[in-house]
Amino acid sequence: GAVVSQHPSWVICKSGTSVKIECRSLDFQATTMFWYRQFPKQSLMLMATSNEGSKATYEQGVEKDKFLINHASLTLSTLTVTSAHPEDSSFYICSAPQLSGTSTDTQYFGPGTRLTVL
Amino acid sequence: ELKVEQNPLFLSMQEGKNYTIYCNYSTTSDRLYWYRQDPGKSLESLFVLLSNGAVKQEGRLMASLDTKARLSTLHITAAVHDLSATYFCAVDIFRNSGYALNFGKGTSLLVTP
Repeated sequence: GAVVSQHPSWVICKSGTSVKIECRSLDFQATTMFWYRQFPKQSLMLMATSNEGSKATYEQGVEKDKFLINHASLTLSTLTVTSAHPEDSSFYICSAPQLSGTSTDTQYFGPGTRLTVL
Repeated sequence: ELKVEQNPLFLSMQEGKNYTIYCNYSTTSDRLYWYRQDPGKSLESLFVLLSNGAVKQEGRLMASLDTKARLSTLHITAAVHDLSATYFCAVDIFRNSGYALNFGKGTSLLVTP
């Protein structure tokens, strides 16, 4: 079946540095990918929609200048957390829908990236 | 604003017992998803319910969807320890050219001997 990968799986960084997280669809093309954030013991919250060939769209309350998204190709989206702070520590999960042209598009989730900012 | 509400949020149950997790959502949606999440892991897809009256079963789990009542249930039969995890329901939200998911808060299930 279709697979979505993320890299790195975990990262620890110092406050003020930037961290890049990659999301790849391994055997299908994804013109749209989604980024979610999950704080400990909480649910997944949609952060932004990554669009190949155009700007990302962000959910209300998500700072677009802090969370830079680049959909470089039909199989790769990157999320860069700029000037990270401890409150950005979270589990970041991407997803990519495999479009079937019907109502049964399948959503594939990546394995997640655990970010810890010291 | 689309809301997805699950209850209970925490559930401790003995092995062998049955229980139901409820998921209510606030707007019309033809699709309802159930996921399982183990600690430190990403999501595992359990069920995708595509229409009113849909019922799907896999092992000790059975999910159903009533789009008129905007309600889905996840029924656990004869629970075993391996079912201990957090269970999320989710509905579609349209974003640009695709559908993202709006998740409930999750139900943390602990199955005890």
